[in-house]
Amino acid sequence: GAVVSQHPSWVICKSGTSVKIECRSLDFQATTMFWYRQFPKQSLMLMATSNEGSKATYEQGVEKDKFLINHASLTLSTLTVTSAHPEDSSFYICSARDTSGGQETQYFGPGTRLLVL
Amino acid sequence: QKEVEQNSGPLSVPEGAIASLNCTYSDRVSQSFFWYRQYSGKSPELIMSIYSNGDKEDGRFTAQLNKASQYVSLLIRDSQPSDSATYLCAVRRTGANNLFFGTGTRLTVIP
Repeated sequence: GAVVSQHPSWVICKSGTSVKIECRSLDFQATTMFWYRQFPKQSLMLMATSNEGSKATYEQGVEKDKFLINHASLTLSTLTVTSAHPEDSSFYICSARDTSGGQETQYFGPGTRLLVL
Repeated sequence: QKEVEQNSGPLSVPEGAIASLNCTYSDRVSQSFFWYRQYSGKSPELIMSIYSNGDKEDGRFTAQLNKASQYVSLLIRDSQPSDSATYLCAVRRTGANNLFFGTGTRLTVIP
């Protein structure tokens, strides 16, 4: 299947700092990418939909000024967690939609584990 | 009513048996259906996609879709301990950008 990469795979930061996570589709172009968050033993939670060349669409309850999303190219979306706090510690997973095969399919990146001290 | 519903399990089957995972969805006009496998601490991995009524087979996995009953299932034949994971059903409605996920069914294959 198609490959989606994320970087970094894990990050530890101090409270108040900002963290940037990159999501890349390696063998297809993705006009739409998604950012999810997952807490231990809980379901995936969609945070926002990232659209290439336009503003992201955020889910209810997700602060757009805290979670900045940029989708500047067809293969790269970034999520920046600004002024991170311990409650932001979570598993952040991106996903990219592949429509190149006629039918759309959505692939996930390996995730980024964030720990805010 | 939730968009996508799954039995959370846990579902336990002996090694070599058939594991049957079920999912129902609420929106009749949904058009794309996916099964993902998620190992503990990892991100979801696409197992199967299905878009039309009937069965779709890929190796030991068979996805079944019945749009009239708004039901999609995943069968895993000759279950292996390595199949032990949480299986997520996902549905995309016509006109919707994102997938709607079920809460997942935890499968344990007992050696």
